[in-house]
Amino acid sequence: EAEVAQSPRYKITEKSQAVAFWCDPISGHATLYWYRQILGQGPELLVQFQDESVVDDSQLPKDRFSAERLKGVDSTLKIQPAELGDSAMYLCASSLWERKGGELFFGEGSRLTVL
Amino acid sequence: GDSVTQMEGPVTLSEEAFLTINCTYTATGYPSLFWYVQYPGEGLQLLLKATKADDKGSNKGFEATYRKETTSFHLEKGSVQVSDSAVYFCAINAGNNRKLIWGLGTSLAVNP
Repeated sequence: EAEVAQSPRYKITEKSQAVAFWCDPISGHATLYWYRQILGQGPELLVQFQDESVVDDSQLPKDRFSAERLKGVDSTLKIQPAELGDSAMYLCASSLWERKGGELFFGEGSRLTVL
Repeated sequence: GDSVTQMEGPVTLSEEAFLTINCTYTATGYPSLFWYVQYPGEGLQLLLKATKADDKGSNKGFEATYRKETTSFHLEKGSVQVSDSAVYFCAINAGNNRKLIWGLGTSLAVNP
């Protein structure tokens, strides 16, 4: 069964450094999401893509976070500079919304620790 | 706006006990309803879903029924196992903008 791929699985960095996460959605899934999940909390949507276009980035801290999906397939989420409060799990999900009734498929996540 | 209210945890049960995790929602229209599960250190996995009133979603012994009249989608399992220890999230789709609205999650710990 096809899966959403994410890397790296774990990342430890020092504050003020740059960090990047990569996501490869399930083939053919036009909608891609980046979520942030702080330990013990639910997922918070950071950015949503439809193909290569951003449809919602209202919760993305744009002074330090950026996201792109240049060819409408894989996507990169970048943080520069990282801050202590960015320590969290970063989850990527994809969806073939119309055919799957709104089901999201998640990757394993990238756990970020900022020291 | 659309919202999901989920039973607060943590919930602690003994193995083979009966589980109910309550979930109610407010939404315009007729959303699809989901339960996702997150095992420690992992991403979220779809556990079950229901797309219309009176549908029952089921998977791995878990069940939930789409109750339009009470706007609820309670998760149940007749006999939990230690391996069911996880966080469970109720979610609804949010109409035409391809988003899910999430509950806050309920942590379940099952003791042997």
